[in-house]
Amino acid sequence: DAKTTQPNSMESNEEEPVHLPCNHSTISGTDYIHWYRQLPSQGPEYVIHGLTSNVNNRMASLAIAEDRKSSTLILHRATLRDAAVYYCIRRSNYQLIWGAGTKLIIKP
Amino acid sequence: EAGVTQFPSHSVIEKGQTVTLRCDPISGHDNLYWYRRVMGKEIKFLLHFVKESKQDESGMPNNRFLAERTGGTYSTLKVQPAELEDSGVYFCASSQDSGPYNEQFFGPGTRLTVL
Repeated sequence: DAKTTQPNSMESNEEEPVHLPCNHSTISGTDYIHWYRQLPSQGPEYVIHGLTSNVNNRMASLAIAEDRKSSTLILHRATLRDAAVYYCIRRSNYQLIWGAGTKLIIKP
Repeated sequence: EAGVTQFPSHSVIEKGQTVTLRCDPISGHDNLYWYRRVMGKEIKFLLHFVKESKQDESGMPNNRFLAERTGGTYSTLKVQPAELEDSGVYFCASSQDSGPYNEQFFGPGTRLTVL
């Protein structure tokens, strides 16, 4: 199964927006794109998901390219508590197919 | 409401021994999943229960791994005999429904070290 690809790490300043990119060029038409994050010493935590349209929730926004080969997770105003590893995931049937994740570092 | 809990949080055993990991899902969640991350690799799906039935066990690495969910409540994952390459973090997750848009709730994980 083709995994998603993400940058290993990104840095951002506190209170600024963060755009986390993800490539999923071989995604099938029925696979959802999910994002989870993992804070230190915790299990993964759901952030957002989408199929074709852009999505917003209280945590973040998800922008999906028209051809669905890439997506971007947007944190509108990052805080220190958002420092975590962010995983872009292909949801195929019941399985979450994980990439390596992006470690987000927030600078005060 | 209590989240997904896992026991133990850490386990250190010697090669050839047996270890049993336990997961208690969120009450009322029929769907239970096991994942693991071995050193330096991505998190990988192991299997999926719907109530007490195994819906998908395609990710189980070999027959040294046995997962059960008697009564459709908590689940156990037994490794017998454990090998060095089984070291890693084992996560359990649960969800109310199994659709591709559903959120899975994860436990904190069990860190297994095989010496």
